[in-house]
Amino acid sequence: DQQVKQNSPSLSVQEGRISILNCDYTNSMFDYFLWYKKYPAEGPTFLISISSIKDKNEDGRFTVFLNKSAKHLSLHIVPSQPGDSAVYFCAAADGNQFYFGTGTSLTVIP
Amino acid sequence: NAGVMQNPRHLVRRRGQEARLRCSPVKGHSHVYWYRQLPEEGLKFMVYLQKENIIDESGMPKERFSAEFPKEGPSILRIQQVVRGDSAAYFCASSGGRLNTEAFFGQGTRLTVV
Repeated sequence: DQQVKQNSPSLSVQEGRISILNCDYTNSMFDYFLWYKKYPAEGPTFLISISSIKDKNEDGRFTVFLNKSAKHLSLHIVPSQPGDSAVYFCAAADGNQFYFGTGTSLTVIP
Repeated sequence: NAGVMQNPRHLVRRRGQEARLRCSPVKGHSHVYWYRQLPEEGLKFMVYLQKENIIDESGMPKERFSAEFPKEGPSILRIQQVVRGDSAAYFCASSGGRLNTEAFFGQGTRLTVV
């Protein structure tokens, strides 16, 4: 039973444009959400997080939006750069563990 | 990856052998999580430990798998009598407290069972 879903397995974006990665969750008890970036053969690297009491958090080129009523989370990267090409995982926490989505592979085309 | 150290990075075991995966968390972190990534799949939770205690092991297979996080030393994920289906990347993460802060991941151990 996948509690966190990333329905787009892949996304291609032109360099300089905006990348929007989406994530849906089912458990209203989740109170903390995170995005991780992963390169092949490496561990996930923390990118940005948001608490359930907020609806937006921004860090440089990365912004995470949280829509609690829709149980939807998104990551915006603008402008996208070729070095952003990686697999992005969203995760939700309920206090005991993180639940990860299956990832979206982002390719930024130069 | 903020200091989480996993070793070995690569581990090859024959079917029936034991695999031991080690994880040293970020200094000062007392919460450790183990995840497994099978080929073409996302990260699957296995177990959450605090020092000397297993908090949640709902993702651990019922047999052959065990985990510990002793008072001194690294956390250990042990897989006994490995089978080919155990081949995966195993990631460890640590955090400083309850999951309202980010967890930092190690580089992972890639287990190959031949």
